[in-house]
Amino acid sequence: KAGVTQTPRYLIKTRGQQVTLSCSPISGHRSVSWYQQTPGQGLQFLFEYFSETQRNKGNFPGRFSGRQFSNSRSEMNVSTLELGDSALYLCASSLTGAYRETQYFGPGTRLLVL
Amino acid sequence: AQTVTQSQPEMSVQEAETVTLSCTYDTSESDYYLFWYKQPPSRQMILVIRQEAYKQQNATENRFSVNFQKAAKSFSLKISDSQLGDAAMYFCAYRSLNAGGTSYGKLTFGQGTILTVHP
Repeated sequence: KAGVTQTPRYLIKTRGQQVTLSCSPISGHRSVSWYQQTPGQGLQFLFEYFSETQRNKGNFPGRFSGRQFSNSRSEMNVSTLELGDSALYLCASSLTGAYRETQYFGPGTRLLVL
Repeated sequence: AQTVTQSQPEMSVQEAETVTLSCTYDTSESDYYLFWYKQPPSRQMILVIRQEAYKQQNATENRFSVNFQKAAKSFSLKISDSQLGDAAMYFCAYRSLNAGGTSYGKLTFGQGTILTVHP
């Protein structure tokens, strides 16, 4: 099976712009979670989607949003970019998002905000 | 709130030797899972090993094993016969069953330990 894929792998944006990141889960996986990784804050949970519904959300401002499509692919959007949004954004998939399931991660999208 | 603490920012080991990475966590729940993930320079997070809180037996995966002490809320990772390819950042992570659905998809991570393997 193909693993989790994320596009693009690298992005450079300027402050005030918006950005959309994409994640395709492992075939058959319907739960997609997003994480932000920074040197200062470490790995932080953004949100989780299952069957096109957001079921869980981390402590991030409303500028961070996401959605999931009927084929389980997910996108996350960050509007009005700030310098502090520079980070590695990781998505992970699992079958249903149940707590006992292992999450499998994609290679990440590295976002640099100038 | 659940927290995960990795008190060793960096560790080093000689090739073929054994190293132990520490992790402690704080939770009031009784049913949960613990994970160790490895993140090499490529930044791809790879599952190393997982442990269910209800299982007394420590998990083992080839050269990787854990020492799970539930009462002490400790979950250390032992890497035996260390190899150059083991060099990476290692993250301890926690996942619980939480009534109300607030745990859906959410892993709580420690700050990570950078492991260097010397030839």
